[in-house]
Amino acid sequence: ETGVTQTPRHLVMGMTNKKSLKCEQHLGHNAMYWYKQSAKKPLELMFVYNFKEQTENNSVPSRFSPECPNSSHLFLHLHTLQPEDSALYLCASSQGYSYTIYFGEGSWLTVV
Amino acid sequence: QKEVEQNSGPLSVPEGAIASLNCTYSDRGSQSFFWYRQYSGKSPELIMFIYSNGDKEDGRFTAQLNKASQYVSLLIRDSQPSDSATYLCAVKAGNRDDKIIFGKGTRLHILP
Repeated sequence: ETGVTQTPRHLVMGMTNKKSLKCEQHLGHNAMYWYKQSAKKPLELMFVYNFKEQTENNSVPSRFSPECPNSSHLFLHLHTLQPEDSALYLCASSQGYSYTIYFGEGSWLTVV
Repeated sequence: QKEVEQNSGPLSVPEGAIASLNCTYSDRGSQSFFWYRQYSGKSPELIMFIYSNGDKEDGRFTAQLNKASQYVSLLIRDSQPSDSATYLCAVKAGNRDDKIIFGKGTRLHILP
């Protein structure tokens, strides 16, 4: 069982829908991340939160909105997505920023 | 721009042989190096990390680091079909605020 849990594991949403991905880490880590993984592309870092403060936003479109209420929880709010946003979204955590990263099992997102 | 390069493969290795996976990086100041294994449809799983030049062994896995030549490799001895996966190399520079950068991964196929 992973120390980083993500829900839902699979999500299908229309382009006009609003949904959220949830992540929870049970490792006592201080940094949490959202990555996007598309077919045949490297992992793309989207957002980083360190001690609940957003430290990185890699030019991610505003239709993706992160929220980190505390060091253990991270959300990714989704609205008016495009079909090209379909991908595996991975949450991860680490003891500190850019320490060894541990991934959750991922949320498969399909935008129709 | 800091880059991490890996041959995408697929790399086909007979069962029982040694699989050798290579990774090169552009930032000479990189200090921390990680290998992740990712099975199809699953999230990346940390296998090993290495910080110092030379070899680091863990069971059937050996990580080799050569900072002068800016490459890091992963050897898998006595390859098993269950080793078939994509292997991601990740590199972190030495500065505290530098993020971990992932390569695109090498797909490894162990032939029974």
